Amino acid sequence: SAVISQKPSRDICQRGTSLTIQCQVDSQVTMMFWYRQQPGQSLTLIATANQGSEATYESGFVIDKFPISRPNLTFSTLTVSNMSPEDSSIYLCSVERGGGKETQYFGPGTRLLVL
Amino acid sequence: GDSVTQMEGPVTLSEEAFLTINCTYTATGYPSLFWYVQYPGEGLQLLLKATKADDKGSNKGFEATYRKETTSFHLEKGSVQVSDSAVYFCALSDPGSGGYNKLIFGAGTRLAVHP
Repeated sequence: SAVISQKPSRDICQRGTSLTIQCQVDSQVTMMFWYRQQPGQSLTLIATANQGSEATYESGFVIDKFPISRPNLTFSTLTVSNMSPEDSSIYLCSVERGGGKETQYFGPGTRLLVL
Repeated sequence: GDSVTQMEGPVTLSEEAFLTINCTYTATGYPSLFWYVQYPGEGLQLLLKATKADDKGSNKGFEATYRKETTSFHLEKGSVQVSDSAVYFCALSDPGSGGYNKLIFGAGTRLAVHP
């Protein structure tokens, strides 16, 4: 498995502002993933971050709204830009580790409320 | 595209009851299948997985068998405890065009176990 931490664990933000979420892993990983979980909903992949290259965004998500950085093999950030109440969600990062390449392990999530 | 369908919740059981949460999938290839659990206020934890047909994943008394003929991966536990109360997500691993494995989640099933 993997030890994954996220900061902040929760935040309350005003509309129009931006929030950067950090994800730290206890060892080097190639792929990091960012998911969104809207209230009472399932998880949806936002983008995949591979160190040294641009993030790959899923349909419906764009870099201007969710810029991602991946400066090294243990760290990534997701920024939620120009927030609106519809961005209120849990944002989770995950990594692929051991147990078969396709197994993903998740961080504890960042709970965001936009007023 | 690939998809996962779970039985709707909430599922309410008494302690020591038998649990089944149904999960079926649609996939063009041969995905790996997963069950994740989300306890209140926490992130996702991998519960069990199966990578090929007829594989049985098991953990903490839970088990699920990869049934290719019925495209199912139902979660079962013989005797639930109050501490099993959580939301359970079925997921499949979809090899994306970008060379990474994307998880596709079902809607989640909330389980409430009463003493």
